Amino acid sequence: DTEVTQTPKHLVMGMTNKKSLKCEQHMGHRAMYWYKQKAKKPPELMFVYSYEKLSINESVPSRFSPECPNSSLLNLHLHALQPEDSALYLCASSRGAGGLGNEQFFGPGTRLTVL
Amino acid sequence: GNSVTQMEGPVTLSEEAFLTINCTYTATGYPSLFWYVQYPGEGLQLLLKATKADDKGSNKGFEATYRKETTSFHLEKGSVQVSDSAVYFCALSDRETSGSRLTFGEGTQLTVNP
Repeated sequence: DTEVTQTPKHLVMGMTNKKSLKCEQHMGHRAMYWYKQKAKKPPELMFVYSYEKLSINESVPSRFSPECPNSSLLNLHLHALQPEDSALYLCASSRGAGGLGNEQFFGPGTRLTVL
Repeated sequence: GNSVTQMEGPVTLSEEAFLTINCTYTATGYPSLFWYVQYPGEGLQLLLKATKADDKGSNKGFEATYRKETTSFHLEKGSVQVSDSAVYFCALSDRETSGSRLTFGEGTQLTVNP
């Protein structure tokens, strides 16, 4: 299994809602990532988990709250988002964090719209 | 710091044309280099990679060679197909200076017409 899965595929939420994005991989990877991608732009790193511990937070607003319940799962909890948070949210995983040639494998993304 | 510069798009080609997408990089360490492809409405897929100078990555007819002397990793394909229409991102990972971070170029939109 060389796949990263993400649910839901699409999400529409109001600014007062609480929702969660889910990511799963069964490749035995020990590093997992959340990215935000706006249209026609490259992905921007948000968070990195290494061995289930948060290792990088790229100064992301607290309305985004990541969680790594186990080595295969990564969640992103959303609360009180703004319309400018509308984007494609991508999850990725890699064998480790920062090793030589340690390529990241991406999921298909969740298209989030905040009304 | 690290940076990646890609040729500006969009690029429009006819089927069976030769493709080159230029990519140059700046890194303080010794990076690994990647090309990712993003088809419409999808996530990024790793297309190919190279981890040391003069390595050639190849996949699905695409090739790129890690050139340390020119700090380049240009993507080439001899004969493009309509199905190659996508956005292509050049990226680097420099574990010495940036750990897990991927530094991406701005992306190049490729459209192949029949």
